[in-house]
Amino acid sequence: KNEVEQSPQNLTAQEGEFITINCSYSVGISALHWLQQHPGGGIVSLFMLSSGKKKHGRLIATINIQEKHSSLHITASHPRDSAVYICAVGGADGLTFGKGTHLIIQP
Amino acid sequence: DARVTQTPRHKVTEMGQEVTMRCQPILGHNTVFWYRQTMMQGLELLAYFRNRAPLDDSGMPKDRFSAEMPDATLATLKIQPSEPRDSAVYFCASALPPFARGYGYTFGSGTRLTVV
Repeated sequence: KNEVEQSPQNLTAQEGEFITINCSYSVGISALHWLQQHPGGGIVSLFMLSSGKKKHGRLIATINIQEKHSSLHITASHPRDSAVYICAVGGADGLTFGKGTHLIIQP
Repeated sequence: DARVTQTPRHKVTEMGQEVTMRCQPILGHNTVFWYRQTMMQGLELLAYFRNRAPLDDSGMPKDRFSAEMPDATLATLKIQPSEPRDSAVYFCASALPPFARGYGYTFGSGTRLTVV
């Protein structure tokens, strides 16, 4: 079974700061997913990637397959980015999730 | 935007009662997953279907949980009898493998279950 570790568990930053959330996994994968969950809210898929880098607005996700490591970056962070960010690995047979990173962006 | 619809959004029930949660996947998605989220365990896979056939339900307590997909537009998760430890948020997600095409997962809004 794949073990998915995220760091940090909690992160508080000031508006405008550059944010990095890390994810490592133990077994080779077909795809890695970054998910966002607001308090009391549903889960939104931000990225799915199997190699390289993807960018969507102020969000950037990278993955290093050899190192079994992925990072999620947020540029020019904003209070509306406050949420739990969850890394998950897997594909057609379901996902294995990290515990999530609770991000708070203060104005 | 296409979405996965889950009902009910919230459910409070007494211990021992039957609970049924429903999920309408995105039209055309052939794979449906049930996940459970708790504070202690985080998100866990309970079961999933492909083309309406159950492929894996090893994450479910077999004695009380059952998952079915009576047609392509409806997946159900039942708990009978319910117990306080079943209190959690239950998410349904649908997808269309293979993921190499770039299609990811779409999650429903979840059913928040409280068993008292």
